[in-house]
Amino acid sequence: NAGVTQTPKFQVLKTGQSMTLQCAQDMNHNSMYWYRQDPGMGLRLIYYSASEGTTDKGEVPNGYNVSRLNKREFSLRLESAAPSQTSVYFCASSRDRVGTGELFFGEGSRLTVL
Amino acid sequence: DAKTTQPNSMESNEEEPVHLPCNHSTISGTDYIHWYRQLPSQGPEYVIHGLTSNVNNRMASLAIAEDRKSSTLILHRATLRDAAVYYCIYLGRDDKIIFGKGTRLHILP
Repeated sequence: NAGVTQTPKFQVLKTGQSMTLQCAQDMNHNSMYWYRQDPGMGLRLIYYSASEGTTDKGEVPNGYNVSRLNKREFSLRLESAAPSQTSVYFCASSRDRVGTGELFFGEGSRLTVL
Repeated sequence: DAKTTQPNSMESNEEEPVHLPCNHSTISGTDYIHWYRQLPSQGPEYVIHGLTSNVNNRMASLAIAEDRKSSTLILHRATLRDAAVYYCIYLGRDDKIIFGKGTRLHILP
């Protein structure tokens, strides 16, 4: 039961470096989401994809880009990392808009930007 | 944005019931109310959801106000393993799922 898989689990970057966080789900879900969680804080929505081929900005999209590569995969890219992007990143998926279906989360990717 | 209001933190004694409140005054008639919890160093996990009627599952009960502007998550007998941050959410018209800061539940032994 893989569910939602995120890679990498840990990453350390220097300011200005770029990287991509990968997320894949094997539940044939239509909607996928990227959140960030700073220490002691709640989750903040970065970007989401309501269906394959569509993406939309969430609460805190600045400094990030996303790609919904196919129905399974939703990647998050940092083009020029900044210390303010140090956070734990969670990917989630749901069958459709959150209604009768639930959100499934990955285990998180812990990113440190020096 | 679909936003909810929850107390920052609550405390309860072990083996006693816990009632976690949530206000969602801007909810529309077709939006489901969901509750999630996040244990330390883990991703959030689903607890329960409902539309209008009260709901029960093996983890908790969900009581929804008649006007749907508030709901209460009920843990019938809290254990130390229930110490977590609890989030109440619903999906608004713009498809954004906004979590907010949730309620940090402390369980006293």
